[in-house]
Amino acid sequence: EVQLVEYGGGLVQPGRSLRLSCAASGFTFDDYAMHWVRQVPGKGLEWVSGITWNSGSVAYGDSVKGRFTISRDNAKNSLYLQMNSLRAEDMALYYCAKDQYYGSGMGFAFDIWGQGTMVTVSS
Amino acid sequence: QSALTQPASVSGSPGQSITISCTGTSSDIGGYGYVSWYQQHPGKAPKLMIYDISKRPSGVSNRFSGSRSGNTASLTISGLQAEDEADYYCSSYTSSSTLVFGGGTKLTVL
Repeated sequence: EVQLVEYGGGLVQPGRSLRLSCAASGFTFDDYAMHWVRQVPGKGLEWVSGITWNSGSVAYGDSVKGRFTISRDNAKNSLYLQMNSLRAEDMALYYCAKDQYYGSGMGFAFDIWGQGTMVTVSS
Repeated sequence: QSALTQPASVSGSPGQSITISCTGTSSDIGGYGYVSWYQQHPGKAPKLMIYDISKRPSGVSNRFSGSRSGNTASLTISGLQAEDEADYYCSSYTSSSTLVFGGGTKLTVL
């Protein structure tokens, strides 16, 4: 079964750091770009970051650029999001998503999603 | 990058057709063929319904179709069914090599 499972969310104080992880299974992980998308409960979707299959190219949304770092470990079929200098506005459900395009680039169409991990930023 | 503009809500009766619009600029929708649409039911993860403006992933009903005219993309659902009631989001690749989503549209099946 094709599956993405996120973990690592939780309660964190403003200004602190948190690292999210996403475990992939059921497909050849290193054939696809991967992304993080977040959603404030009851609100819309926001693309956070993406990374190509070999980590050769990464991209970030303006609201997280310079604070968040995306990475992957193909040997472990895992995607990560290091979040530093967290703010109240970063509080959201964070989804891991698989790019549907096979190959070298980021196609920005997401055919597999995890169930998300909640990040709460509060003192 | 500003969010794409979608109507907050649309509604229709079973069997009818509805269209959801998604308006951007020449730096996103109008400039690239990478427009996607997602369906999200309450408490669930989004599901890809349309990609590359008008292509349907395997398993998605042919009642769902996508199109684009200028800087506006559209999702049309024909033969509306109760299970189509959900939130719908458009997205587009941008000139900054990033992705932008629309604000979302709540579809109500009357």
